[in-house]
Amino acid sequence: DTGVSQDPRHKITKRGQNVTFRCDPISEHNRLYWYRQTLGQGPEFLTYFQNEAQLEKSRLLSDRFSAERPKGSFSTLEIQRTEQGDSAMYLCASSPGGITDTQYFGPGTRLTVL
Amino acid sequence: KNEVEQSPQNLTAQEGEFITINCSYSVGISALHWLQQHPGGGIVSLFMLSSGKKKHGRLIATINIQEKHSSLHITASHPRDSAVYICAVRSHSNYQLIWGAGTKLIIKP
Repeated sequence: DTGVSQDPRHKITKRGQNVTFRCDPISEHNRLYWYRQTLGQGPEFLTYFQNEAQLEKSRLLSDRFSAERPKGSFSTLEIQRTEQGDSAMYLCASSPGGITDTQYFGPGTRLTVL
Repeated sequence: KNEVEQSPQNLTAQEGEFITINCSYSVGISALHWLQQHPGGGIVSLFMLSSGKKKHGRLIATINIQEKHSSLHITASHPRDSAVYICAVRSHSNYQLIWGAGTKLIIKP
């Protein structure tokens, strides 16, 4: 399977704990995006990488959220001191850039904060 | 007012019907995406448009840049087409996708 993969698919944690999610993009894609989707809503943009550089970051991404893409390949999204409001589906997408910059989505990581 | 508006929010139809989902936007865009989201969260990109019309199987997407409007059509609809269809636009100014709220489509056999 050469699509976007995310790990884990599901995460249940207690409030106050830290969690980290991983996204492996399609190998030749240099752009990587993180989104958050709560029930019944469309995805909300969180952050965007061009290779290893984090070029854009939403105001939704509070100080408790950090994302990295150290080698320009896989990316991690960490949430520190989780809150119940962080419960959502976290989606990763990658794209090749250029004119036809279609984003390809991973299956998502569903986070439940108890 | 949201920058991307979709209509209808919910649509239930019988198998075989011709389906139209509309998307209007208020910002300058470089591209418009139609995506399909199945229960459980998986999102699949259907089309990316910057002008004109695209067709893939039973799906047709059109865009009118002057009117800032796009439509997604499904011909000969089938129960497996049941999903949420989302319109998203990429603005000129940044790399973000601005998402519509989605249209929940149910096709009954």
